[in-house]
Amino acid sequence: EIVLTQSPGTLSLSPGERATLSCRASQSVSINYLAWYQQKPGQAPRLLIYGTSNRATGIPDRFSGSESGTDFTLTISRLEPEDFAVYYCQQYGSSLWTFGQGTKVEMK
Amino acid sequence: QVQLQESGPGLVKPSETLSLTCTVSGGSISSYYWTWIRQPPGKGLEWIGNIHYSGPTNSIPSLKSRVTMSIDTSKNQFSLRLTSVTAADTAVYYCARGYRSSWYVWLDPWGQGTLVTVSS
Repeated sequence: EIVLTQSPGTLSLSPGERATLSCRASQSVSINYLAWYQQKPGQAPRLLIYGTSNRATGIPDRFSGSESGTDFTLTISRLEPEDFAVYYCQQYGSSLWTFGQGTKVEMK
Repeated sequence: QVQLQESGPGLVKPSETLSLTCTVSGGSISSYYWTWIRQPPGKGLEWIGNIHYSGPTNSIPSLKSRVTMSIDTSKNQFSLRLTSVTAADTAVYYCARGYRSSWYVWLDPWGQGTLVTVSS
């Protein structure tokens, strides 16, 4: 089973700053099979990015995704107030879908 | 657009069976992987499993022996049964539409979630 480890656990930033979130896989993950979700308090998660770097419908272009080997990154270029939330990476492999433990982006 | 809504008891006694249904509206349940995910209070997301519209199911190994999923295409619904529950099964349970091809996977949209508490 592939384990996804997200870091940092919490990111304290101010609006307008750049956020860089990491998701490291315990073994190789296809770039096609890595997605990112945003979850705000009391809400269901929302799909942000699929296939490592493709933005879902309606997602602003300040959100971007990339990869380097088994490391995947979600970047928010300039934080807006509505971006403070928890972010999860998710992968598919060997018939299993797994999530990372999440990174909380909080307002400094 | 497609919307999903979970329904079922909010309170289940220990050792009993948790049963939830997800109703899909605004689109057909044919195609896709219809998925259950849970989130214990204050914790992260856990994929429970999914059922393909044609019937095959898959679930996380740690729950496999206790999970049953089914689909009713005539009602545009799919269901989850989790047997022999304990307090560790207390969570918000979400249903979601899953897509998997050679190119992409994603879960979208999600239902709003329903809290199930296991307690006597």
